[in-house]
Amino acid sequence: EPEVTQTPSHQVTQMGQEVILRCVPISNHLYFYWYRQILGQKVEFLVSFYNNEISEKSEIFDDQFSVERPDGSNFTLKIRSTKLEDSAMYFCASSSPGQLSGANVLTFGAGSRLTVL
Amino acid sequence: GENVEQHPSTLSVQEGDSAVIKCTYSDSASNYFPWYKQELGKGPQLIIDIRSNVGEKKDQRIAVTLNKTAKHFSLHITETQPEDSAVYFCAAVNYNDMRFGAGTRLTVKP
Repeated sequence: EPEVTQTPSHQVTQMGQEVILRCVPISNHLYFYWYRQILGQKVEFLVSFYNNEISEKSEIFDDQFSVERPDGSNFTLKIRSTKLEDSAMYFCASSSPGQLSGANVLTFGAGSRLTVL
Repeated sequence: GENVEQHPSTLSVQEGDSAVIKCTYSDSASNYFPWYKQELGKGPQLIIDIRSNVGEKKDQRIAVTLNKTAKHFSLHITETQPEDSAVYFCAAVNYNDMRFGAGTRLTVKP
């Protein structure tokens, strides 16, 4: 079963430091996503990425966040200057082009836990 | 944008009973409704989904219903087992834009 792989599984960082979370999507998928889940809360959409550019982003995805697909396999989320409130699980997901109805089925990674001290 | 409401936030049932989780959505353009199960420390895993051209779908003990007119969809788990205990999220999707409900923590007591 193809899967989405995320690294690191857990990262602890000091406030103000830069963090890069890495994801390897399923190889034939074309859409990539980042979601965030603060402990005990709902899974929140951050950004979607297609054809080497952001296709949609939420109000959470401000200027401190950026995404990149540096090569043919990785998809990264960078948080430029971390804040305490960035502590959360970050989930990467990928999907292939939509089926008949046009909707994509997302496959999620296991998540990267970010702790900002 | 899409707004998905999910109820209840917590649900406790006895093993063997049924569990029902309900969601509503706001964007009439949403046409795909997946349900995810999230176990502790893991990412959401797709358990069942339904598309807007279908009213009901069943997979063993799990079923999902969709009422597009009312913008309601529900997850039904029958004959619950302790391993069904997890957080369940509904979602509504408009092409590649997926928004989650707030989640339901289901506890199945043996």
